[in-house]
Amino acid sequence: DQQVKQNSPSLSVQEGRISILNCDYTNSMFDYFLWYKKYPAEGPTFLISISSIKDKNEDGRFTVFLNKSAKHLSLHIVPSQPGDSAVYFCAAWGSNYKLTFGKGTLLTVNP
Amino acid sequence: EPEVTQTPSHQVTQMGQEVILRCVPISNHLYFYWYRQILGQKVEFLVSFYNNEISEKSEIFDDQFSVERPDGSNFTLKIRSTKLEDSAMYFCASNRDRFTYEQYFGPGTRLTVT
Repeated sequence: DQQVKQNSPSLSVQEGRISILNCDYTNSMFDYFLWYKKYPAEGPTFLISISSIKDKNEDGRFTVFLNKSAKHLSLHIVPSQPGDSAVYFCAAWGSNYKLTFGKGTLLTVNP
Repeated sequence: EPEVTQTPSHQVTQMGQEVILRCVPISNHLYFYWYRQILGQKVEFLVSFYNNEISEKSEIFDDQFSVERPDGSNFTLKIRSTKLEDSAMYFCASNRDRFTYEQYFGPGTRLTVT
């Protein structure tokens, strides 16, 4: 049951460039989509979200885009910084009031 | 800034033993959750808890699992008879109410069953 899928287990980018993390979902009833960031030995921390009725949400260096027809969302980080190196989880929230996570993508930003 | 705390950070136990994982949610939060992440896998929902009872549980949360809020601050997950496949990172989370999608996670307890 993979309702939320992150097909890239890892991504490596140069400092200052754009990082694009992708996520696909299958359940069209999700109300919100969230990105969580996780450092080793820490729990996931909320980064940014988007409502299912929006197509873009921006917060500083982080922008999330939602394409409902394609059931696809992406997180853009620009410019990428070495401190952004972490695992990024895509998650979805719906009427069952629980988060459904993807497997995560390990982002490495090289100085 | 308030945070969710979990103890212990790492628990090693033998197969068949009981373990209790402890969490202290953020004090004004009303909904509590347990998730787990098996190494290399996704974070999976186990159970949600509100007003001293389970709101929802996943198919993973079988009779071997139970949750409790024994006092006003702690929230525990008990595994009665651990199996090797219970080895995972267990995360506690909380939020203010069930309509708030942002959940706050603790640092996790790594459970190793040998």
